[in-house]
Parts: sequence; C-alpha cells; structure tokens
Amino acid sequence: AQRVTQPEKLLSVFKGAPVELKCNYSYSGSPELFWYVQYSRQRLQLLLRHISRESIKGFTADLNKGETSFHLKKPFAQEEDSAMYYCALSGVMDTGFQKLVFGTGTRLLVSP
Amino acid sequence: DAGVTQSPTHLIKTRGQQVTLRCSPKSGHDTVSWYQQALGQGPQFIFQYYEEEERQRGNFPDRFSGHQFPNYSSELNVNALLLGDSALYLCASSFYSVGGRGDYTFGSGTRLTVV
Repeated sequence: AQRVTQPEKLLSVFKGAPVELKCNYSYSGSPELFWYVQYSRQRLQLLLRHISRESIKGFTADLNKGETSFHLKKPFAQEEDSAMYYCALSGVMDTGFQKLVFGTGTRLLVSP
Repeated sequence: DAGVTQSPTHLIKTRGQQVTLRCSPKSGHDTVSWYQQALGQGPQFIFQYYEEEERQRGNFPDRFSGHQFPNYSSELNVNALLLGDSALYLCASSFYSVGGRGDYTFGSGTRLTVV
C-alpha cells in the first residue's frame, strides 16, 4: 500500500529560524517523492521532486530510503514561505500509469 | 499558456442531485487525473483518464464517474450527491510516457458544497 504521513498539522516559526517539515512514506517499490505547496488563494504547485536534487526558494529535501523519509528543510524561513505544504508519492502501477498519493499537509506559519 | 482550467469555480447543490465538473488540461498534456480534497485533508485520487479511457481508479464509489474527450478535456460526474461530497475537486493534467513519471499541473479546483 502507498501511504504518506505528515505528522505535523501546523509548524509555527519565527522569521530567520530553520524549518523542517517531516514526511514519511510507505511504498513497496521505488517511489518518486514530491513536495507541493499551496499559497493562500493559489493553486497547488510543485515545489520540488527528489530526482531533481535541486533547491527551490531555498528549500531542499533528501530522500532517505532507509528511514523512508523525505523531509523538507530550509535554513532560514521567510514570511513569504507561509503556506500549506504537501508531501506526495508517485509510483507506477501495474497499468503503467502513475498516480499521486498525498499526505494530509503541514501548514507553515512564519511570524515576523 | 493557460495551464489547467476548471469550471465552475464554485457550485452549490442539494443532496440527491447530480453534478458535472469540467477540466481543460494544459497544452501538450494528454492525461487527466481528478482529486477530491476535503477540508483539512490532502487531495485524494479519484480516477485518471488517458486516450478517453479510465486507466486507474481510487477508492471512490460508482457514483463518481468521468469522461475524457478527443481534445483531452475531461468531466467528472457525481450522482446522488451526499453531504460528504462537499469538497474541493482538483483536476491535474500530465503527459503520459511508458513507465514515466510525468509532472502534474493542477487547476485551481471547483469548490462543491452539498446542502
């Protein structure tokens, strides 16, 4: 079964503080992991994907297959980072098609 | 590029009624997936369409059905609406490649309220 767990519903930090949004997953095969972000009144958009190994808006995430985790990190939070963050997993089904399985999301609130 | 467009943006229906939601995929995309996002929850996969056929389905009852047209646009139909169907319905488009892991582009969603 595919499952994504985000244990924190809300993460509140001060501007300039480090941020880590946790994500753990369960998948029997070789998954692809994503972080999606939803800013207030905007559509869901891709923040980063593990195969790209890139940093977007200062955020990074490393896939740890041993711990089945894909935590999102940023060394210095900014107020504009306040948003809803979703961790998602994609696996290719027997049909050859993939689907996204989302966690319940973590709301990041960065205070001045 | 308009990206993924969904209509209508908001809808209010009465229990027992039927509803149709529409989605136009991003230019160049041929696959459409539908998700239901209840308040305070992550999006839940409903089903996916490619080449006008349903290719995979999530854990949703048969009251939820869909269609894809030759121009790749798609409809989501829900019959016999229940209060619990109230949610944001998201459409996501992608380009299919064998064994591939395409990027998804999401629409802004249709907010359905069942009263």
